[in-house]
Order: sequence, then structure tokens, then C-alpha cells
Amino acid sequence: DIQMTQSPSSLSASVGDRVTITCRASQSIGTYLNWYQQKPGKAPKFLIYAASSLQSGVPSRFSGSGSGTDFTLTISSLQPEDFATYYCQHSYNMPRTFGQGTKVEIK
Amino acid sequence: EVQLVESGGGLVQPGGSLRLSCAASGFTFSSSYWMHWVRQAPGKGLVWVSRINSDGTSTSYADSVKGRFTISRDNAKNTLYLEMNSLRVEDTAVYYCAREVGTVINTNKYWYFDLWGRGTLVTVSS
Repeated sequence: DIQMTQSPSSLSASVGDRVTITCRASQSIGTYLNWYQQKPGKAPKFLIYAASSLQSGVPSRFSGSGSGTDFTLTISSLQPEDFATYYCQHSYNMPRTFGQGTKVEIK
Repeated sequence: EVQLVESGGGLVQPGGSLRLSCAASGFTFSSSYWMHWVRQAPGKGLVWVSRINSDGTSTSYADSVKGRFTISRDNAKNTLYLEMNSLRVEDTAVYYCAREVGTVINTNKYWYFDLWGRGTLVTVSS
């Protein structure tokens, strides 16, 4: 199975900050990488697929990049509604494993 | 409204059984949608559990549940199921159902979970 490792596990940031989250796959997965956002007590929300393609309706301050084994999710200017936990997930094959999550907290 | 609604969670003793349901509405459930179960233990991350293809003929499971859980679907009832047997304390989690869709980019098809239910809590405890 492909293992997904995110870093950092948590970070503190202020509104307006640029935030970058990293996700690393245990083997090359091309660009078969998705990102999700989850707020406490809520279901995950799909943000990005194919490493860099934004889901319709997702604000343009979110962006994704990377290929192979290393990927990043960037929030260009953190907004109050962006404080949440973010997960990467590969879709290269089965099982569709997730990273362990990165919690973005208010500084 | 396009949505998934899980039900069937609750408190069960170790070794017991539960059947979760996921009712789909607002879209053609029997179309080419793979469906998945994902769980989240209290305070922990998302863990993929199982998936089933659109007509129910192919399934796969995480090693941690293989042989104990069975995924199925009834396309006539627009419902996904997860039969859970021999439950363990470590199966305690919120269980989400999710729809997987694919988009073609440059001849490659990229898969993602675009629709999630709100989840149902399963607690395994004596």
C-alpha cells in the first residue's frame, strides 16, 4: 500500500498569512493526489484533484502543486474560515490512503 | 438536493455486529459511481475502509477490517451498506460514506471523493 505523510502535523498562523502544507507519497503517484478540508464535527470537503485542479467553488487562494512523490497545498492569504484540518489522499491505486492530516490553527 | 445520509450507528459490545446504511439522493446512484466507506476515530485522521464498484460486483477492504466487514449496495434502493461483524474497540469511529467520481485530463482519469455524508458514530465498548 502507498503511504502518505503530511507535514507539519499542525501549524499556527494568522489571518492573511501564506500557508504551505506538504504531502509525501511512499512511491511515485504521478499527479494522482487530492486535498480535502475538514472542520470540527463536519464531513470532509473536497478541494483539489489531480494535484493542482481546483474543485468548482473552491476559492482561488487555494492552490496545489507537485508530482511524483512530493506535493504541496498552499493557501495564499489565510482567511478565518480556512482554520481546519487538511488531508491529502492519493488515487493512484487501491487503497485510497489518506495522509494523517495537518491542523491549521489560529495564532 | 444531492446528498448522502448515513444511519445505523450506535453502541455495541466487543464481538457484536452492526449494519450501516448510506442513503443516496439527488443523483443516479446506479450510474458509474464507486462508493466508499471512510472512518475517523475520535480525534484522529481519516482512514479508508472499503469500496464497491457501481454494480456491486467488485469490492475491496482495508486489512484492518478484511474478513469482518462486508460492503454492499442496492441500486434499486439507492443505498450503500456496511455490515460489520466481530467488532473491536478499535473500530470505534465516525463512519462516512463517500462517492467517488473521475475526471479525464489529457487521457488520464483522476479519481476523487466529491460527495460525503455527515457520518454515523459507531462506539464499541463493554
